[in-house]
Amino acid sequence: GESVGLHLPTLSVQEGDNSIINCAYSNSASDYFIWYKQESGKGPQFIIDIRSNMDKRQGQRVTVLLNKTVKHLSLQIAATQPGDSAVYFCAESPNSSYKLIFGSGTRLLVRP
Amino acid sequence: DGGITQSPKYLFRKEGQNVTLSCEQNLNHDAMYWYRQDPGQGLRLIYYSQIVNDFQKGDIAEGYSVSREKKESFPLTVTSAQKNPTAFYLCASSISGTTNEKLFFGSGTQLSVL
Repeated sequence: GESVGLHLPTLSVQEGDNSIINCAYSNSASDYFIWYKQESGKGPQFIIDIRSNMDKRQGQRVTVLLNKTVKHLSLQIAATQPGDSAVYFCAESPNSSYKLIFGSGTRLLVRP
Repeated sequence: DGGITQSPKYLFRKEGQNVTLSCEQNLNHDAMYWYRQDPGQGLRLIYYSQIVNDFQKGDIAEGYSVSREKKESFPLTVTSAQKNPTAFYLCASSISGTTNEKLFFGSGTQLSVL
């Protein structure tokens, strides 16, 4: 199991700035990674995914970077908007399995 | 609109009572999942099913039971054996339940103990 706590790490950014949310994953055999966004009281919403044969993937206003050497994943959000305020989870899938292992999340707060 | 529907949104359980959470999907996905989320934590897998009439335990299956009689439906029963049931429960589905698939989530059920 993962080490978890009641208080999520929080990233506070000014509206219009770029946001970078980081995630350290645990299994060097993981070959698929996903970022989800979860607003309060709602289910997680898919943002972007990346396979281990890539180190960067871009979507609309979002970019995911994968550094397999240090087992690090990051989500970059360009021109952060108030609607981006949410908790962001990374998830990894080890050994080409069906299973997703979720991190404990980072709360993003966007200041107007 | 295609999607995953969970009901009810809020549910209260009395001590010693079993309660059932509903999950229905019209995405024609083969695989369905149940996750538990505690405040400030990530999601933990309770049960999953890759095909009708078959399901497997996840990481925290004790005190829970499921059935998969129809492709569209995957209800979760929280039994009286689950001593700490208060949590946010999320149902999800994926196309086939095989490798490297993203999950689509419902809007969740908040279960609280009276």
